Amino acid sequence: AQSVAQPEDQVNVAEGNPLTVKCTYSVSGNPYLFWYVQYPNRGLQFLLKYITGDNLVKGSYGFEAEFNKSQTSFHLKKPSALVSDSALYFCAVRGYSTLTFGKGTMLLVSP
Amino acid sequence: GAGVSQTPSNKVTEKGKYVELRCDPISGHTALYWYRQSLGQGPEFLIYFQGTGAADDSGLPNDRFFAVRPEGSVSTLKIQRTERGDSAVYLCASSQLAGTYNEQFFGPGTRLTVL
Repeated sequence: AQSVAQPEDQVNVAEGNPLTVKCTYSVSGNPYLFWYVQYPNRGLQFLLKYITGDNLVKGSYGFEAEFNKSQTSFHLKKPSALVSDSALYFCAVRGYSTLTFGKGTMLLVSP
Repeated sequence: GAGVSQTPSNKVTEKGKYVELRCDPISGHTALYWYRQSLGQGPEFLIYFQGTGAADDSGLPNDRFFAVRPEGSVSTLKIQRTERGDSAVYLCASSQLAGTYNEQFFGPGTRLTVL
């Protein structure tokens, strides 16, 4: 069975500083990994995905994620955080028909 | 439409009642998914449709839950004899095709509260 772990319930960062939201995965076979963001009272929005190829994946709103096969990690990063980035972030691994999500990490960016 | 829509946005019902939740996917998307998100948790898969048929319903928690997609577009999730534990946000998603590479686009969800 596939699974995803997000070890941090909350990440706090000051505006302008770099941010990292951690994700590790467990799958049999090749991992297909996704990051989604959820704003209050809104649906999940796709940020980026890793299927194959370059280990650094660039996505929406200046976010990027680094795939590390040896550490089974797929951490979400942004060089300079904005207050508007404050939201709930989910890492997910894809099987054929389903997404398996982590429990989410709340990102709080302070002015 | 421009995105996945779900109605109602909020539903409050009493224990034991029947509810229907509706999902209208992005036009042309053949795959449709239902997830349930409980407080403080990530979404959990319920069921997935490819066209009109349920291709994978392994996530449905019990036989009180049922979903249909009769014309391969709009889908309805049906919950019989609701219980307080059914309270959650029910999310619908669609993708152009089924398969690993296709990202799923999510609707805003229906918040179900069972009193």
